[in-house]
Amino acid sequence: KQEVTQIPAALSVPEGENLVLNCSFTDSAIYNLQWFRQDPGKGLTSLLLIQSSQREQTSGRLNASLDKSSGRSTLYIAASQPGDSATYLCAGSSNTGKLIFGQGTTLQVKP
Amino acid sequence: ETGVTQTPRHLVMGMTNKKSLKCEQHLGHNAMYWYKQSAKKPLELMFVYSLEERVENNSVPSRFSPECPNSSHLFLHLHTLQPEDSALYLCASSQERVGGYGYTFGSGTRLTVV
Repeated sequence: KQEVTQIPAALSVPEGENLVLNCSFTDSAIYNLQWFRQDPGKGLTSLLLIQSSQREQTSGRLNASLDKSSGRSTLYIAASQPGDSATYLCAGSSNTGKLIFGQGTTLQVKP
Repeated sequence: ETGVTQTPRHLVMGMTNKKSLKCEQHLGHNAMYWYKQSAKKPLELMFVYSLEERVENNSVPSRFSPECPNSSHLFLHLHTLQPEDSALYLCASSQERVGGYGYTFGSGTRLTVV
């Protein structure tokens, strides 16, 4: 059974810092790994999707990597801004298509 | 707005009421999902539909009844709910159920059961 864990649960950094959010999963037979952003009380916005055959994806200041052998994915945020404050969720997809979510990392970027 | 639209955005209902949540996607996706997000818990998958056929029911109580009349619309019918059912209900879609396609989520319906 796939389980997804995110560390840390919460993170507070000053504006401008580079930061890394971690995601680990128990089943290496993962189809893809998707990172989402959720603002308070809102839905999920997809940030990056890493397919099984890929190792990383980049979008602007965001870079996500996937290492299936170690069961880990990281989301790197460069030059953080107050607008990046949100909860970041990672989710892994099994070969049956089921998307399993971690509990999220709540990020606060202080001006 | 994302490609997945959910209505209403907020809903307050009594335990004896019957209400429905609606989800609509115009992305041409063939799979649709209902998720429940409670405070301090990871998102929980409730139902999966592929080509309008329910392919998964994740041990959800019968007071939640899904309906998928076509590949663009998904409903969640609610009746005799409990206060612990209060949560954010999220709809999502993907190109296909299997194959590693990414999910697109709606903005959710915030449900409060009183």
